[in-house]
Amino acid sequence: ETGVTQTPRHLVMGMTNKKSLKCEQHLGHNAMYWYKQSAKKPLELMFVYSLEERVENNSVPSRFSPECPNSSHLFLHLHTLQPEDSALYLCASSRELAQHNEQFFGPGTRLTVL
Amino acid sequence: GQQVMQIPQYQHVQEGEDFTTYCNSSTTLSNIQWYKQRPGGHPVFLIQLVKSGEVKKQKRLTFQFGEAKKNSSLHITATQTTDVGTYFCAGGSQGNLIFGKGTKLSVKP
Repeated sequence: ETGVTQTPRHLVMGMTNKKSLKCEQHLGHNAMYWYKQSAKKPLELMFVYSLEERVENNSVPSRFSPECPNSSHLFLHLHTLQPEDSALYLCASSRELAQHNEQFFGPGTRLTVL
Repeated sequence: GQQVMQIPQYQHVQEGEDFTTYCNSSTTLSNIQWYKQRPGGHPVFLIQLVKSGEVKKQKRLTFQFGEAKKNSSLHITATQTTDVGTYFCAGGSQGNLIFGKGTKLSVKP
């Protein structure tokens, strides 16, 4: 248990569905991240938030929409996804947005898009 | 964009053999971190190296940071079946942490 929780753990959705992934960290960290993990790109950084402000968006398609209402919670809203979006989505947090800070990962949400 | 290259992509070893994974960057890194992801699990932080030429040990694991701070290695002595998983390096540069693609280790008992 790393102090970072993610729900749901598994999600199957159709291409026309709208769903949201939730991440919560109980570590008092100020930075949170979304990663996509697939066989082709093992750890692909999607979004970075620091103190609830988005600081990085790595050319992610608009069908992925992040939201950070406070420093403990991070959401990833999904709509009109494609089958190639099937992957493990990992949330992580760190004390501050700095390259020296260890990142704590959640267990991930295994997403399957039909 | 900046990349951190990691080799090999896969490594199969017999239990008791040694294992090494290498991480290389084209630019100087400020720090390097290593993570382990067990099958079905999530990445877990192992260690961080900051100084040029630094060497750190954790039981059978030895981590090195190159003199030029452009490369790093993780060496496991006498692998055990509990060592299976994917090992990721992550290099710190310009405020970002850039992950390598990982080395997947399998250990045959």
